[in-house]
Amino acid sequence: TQLLEQSPQFLSIQEGENLTVYCNSSSVFSSLQWYRQEPGEGPVLLVTVVTGGEVKKLKRLTFQFGDARKDSSLHITAAQTGDTGLYLCAGTNFGNEKLTFGTGTRLTIIP
Amino acid sequence: DTAVSQTPKYLVTQMGNDKSIKCEQNLGHDTMYWYKQDSKKFLKIMFSYNNKELIINETVPNRFSPKSPDKAHLNLHINSLELGDSAVYFCASSQAPRDRGNTIYFGEGSWLTVV
Repeated sequence: TQLLEQSPQFLSIQEGENLTVYCNSSSVFSSLQWYRQEPGEGPVLLVTVVTGGEVKKLKRLTFQFGDARKDSSLHITAAQTGDTGLYLCAGTNFGNEKLTFGTGTRLTIIP
Repeated sequence: DTAVSQTPKYLVTQMGNDKSIKCEQNLGHDTMYWYKQDSKKFLKIMFSYNNKELIINETVPNRFSPKSPDKAHLNLHINSLELGDSAVYFCASSQAPRDRGNTIYFGEGSWLTVV
């Protein structure tokens, strides 16, 4: 069973600070996605990365796919209270419909 | 307009009962899923259907039976509910194929509590 470990599991920081969340696996994935889930709602896709080493930016969020396609990171610059939520990475294998989710990082931004 | 809608949103029921959760998507997608999220927020796939055909069936007790009457609907029926079935169940859909990272859309979840 492929496992995606996210760290940290919980993160609480002040508004305006920077942070990085990591998603690591011993398995190779054809693509990797990041989702944000707010209380009482389903996960919402933020980004998909498909090429090893790929970097994508979404406003203050920077996503990177590892060169070996086994890991990814999410960096948030100048965090805002609206960034609070559960962040999930998820990986897919070639020719496989199954999306494997990570263990999750619960982020709280303190005003 | 809700893209993936599931009902009920909340369900409290006694052990041993049989219950169903319904899901509909209006995105014209070919593939639909059921995911289970436990109390630690770990999200795991249960089933996947593509054009009404079962394509993924994870190690799920056979008390759980998905039914897809058409490609826009995927319902989940659970027999003889147990305490451990308490979780949030998410329906989702995507346009096949998934392996290149096509977007998957989730419903808002159905909170099942078995007492």
